[in-house]
Order: sequence, then C-alpha cells, then structure tokens
Amino acid sequence: DGGITQSPKYLFRKEGQNVTLSCEQNLNHDAMYWYRQDPGQGLRLIYYSQIVNDFQKGDIAEGYSVSREKKESFPLTVTSAQKNPTAFYLCASRGGVSYGYTFGSGTRLTVV
Amino acid sequence: DQQVKQNSPSLSVQEGRISILNCDYTNSMFDYFLWYKKYPAEGPTFLISISSIKDKNEDGRFTVFLNKSAKHLSLHIVPSQPGDSAVYFCAASPSETYKYIFGTGTRLKVLA
Repeated sequence: DGGITQSPKYLFRKEGQNVTLSCEQNLNHDAMYWYRQDPGQGLRLIYYSQIVNDFQKGDIAEGYSVSREKKESFPLTVTSAQKNPTAFYLCASRGGVSYGYTFGSGTRLTVV
Repeated sequence: DQQVKQNSPSLSVQEGRISILNCDYTNSMFDYFLWYKKYPAEGPTFLISISSIKDKNEDGRFTVFLNKSAKHLSLHIVPSQPGDSAVYFCAASPSETYKYIFGTGTRLKVLA
C-alpha cells in the first residue's frame, strides 16, 4: 500500500533543543512538501523539494532546515532558532499526473 | 496578506441538505484549485480538484464550482451526511508550480 508515513505522531521538545521530524513516502513522487498548521490558521508552507538534492524555502522557513538525499525521504529539523515551534506539522508529496498533494498523518510537536 | 480566504470559519447543516463552502482568492495567476477534508490530528484527505479551464467538476456528492472573474470557488456537498463533519480547506496554486496556498478552513458540522 503506497502512502506517506510521518513519525513520530507526537513529539515533545525542550526549549533549546533541535528535533527532526521524519517523512517517508513510497509513492515514487518527485516533489515533497512540509506545512505547518496552527489553530485558526491555514496550512503554511515551510520548505519544499521538487527533486532529490534540491529544496527551496517556503513562506515560513526561518528556524527550520531540511534535506533531500533520497527520493523517498524529506526530514524536517526544527531548530532552537524557531521561536514558536509548537504546532501540527504535515508532510505531503506530489507526483505523476496528479496536481494535488497526498498528505501524511502529521506530527504534533509540543515544546515543554 | 492572505491570498486564499475562507471567510466562514464554521457552518452547520442538517443531514440530507446541501452544504456550500466558499473560498475566495486574490491572485489571478492561480490555475489549480483543490479541496481537502481534515479530521482533528489527521492529515488532510483530498476531495476534489478543478483547473481554470473548467468551471465545474463533479465527483459523487461533491461538486466544485469555479468563477474566475469573481475569483471565487465553492464546494457543494449533496446530500450532507454526519460523516462529512470535518474542517474543509481550499487551496490554490499558480500553474505548474504546484505550490499550494491554503485557506484557513471552514468547520462543517452536519446535524443528524
């Protein structure tokens, strides 16, 4: 069964720590995306990657970093520079003839 | 500056009646439009899409209408069912970039 897997589902971080959110897809999609959702707000684009070894900043990239060393994987690191990291993080991919995204089930990050 | 707006944060509809969710956009370069459904703590699920060459797309109980001159799209759900209760997001992208900008969502409650 093809899909996108995000892990962990819940993540707690102490202030000042970096954490990495995992996103893996077996859909053979070229493009992958990271969005953030806050209460009462839409999904905001953090980073995206159209092909392996290439990625671009989205609208709210400050305090985040990504890598795209493999087609299947697009991990997101939330660094200590991100001032308000508590949010629901969504990974998505797109490929083939579809112009829509397939989303993972999300990771809820809480700073404690 | 929100380029995609969903001005109704919530909507309640009786089971069996029509639900109409609205979405406005400001960027005339947007060519692809998507609707997603989202339950709490889950990733969004794709519902229906439309491109700017069409003004209507239908899939079962779901129909999306696009009015390019008014920069407005709407999602009609007929008949509405209790299982349709969720948050609905519209999203728009300029042609061929597939960088979707999401609205803030409308919470639909279908009353049995």
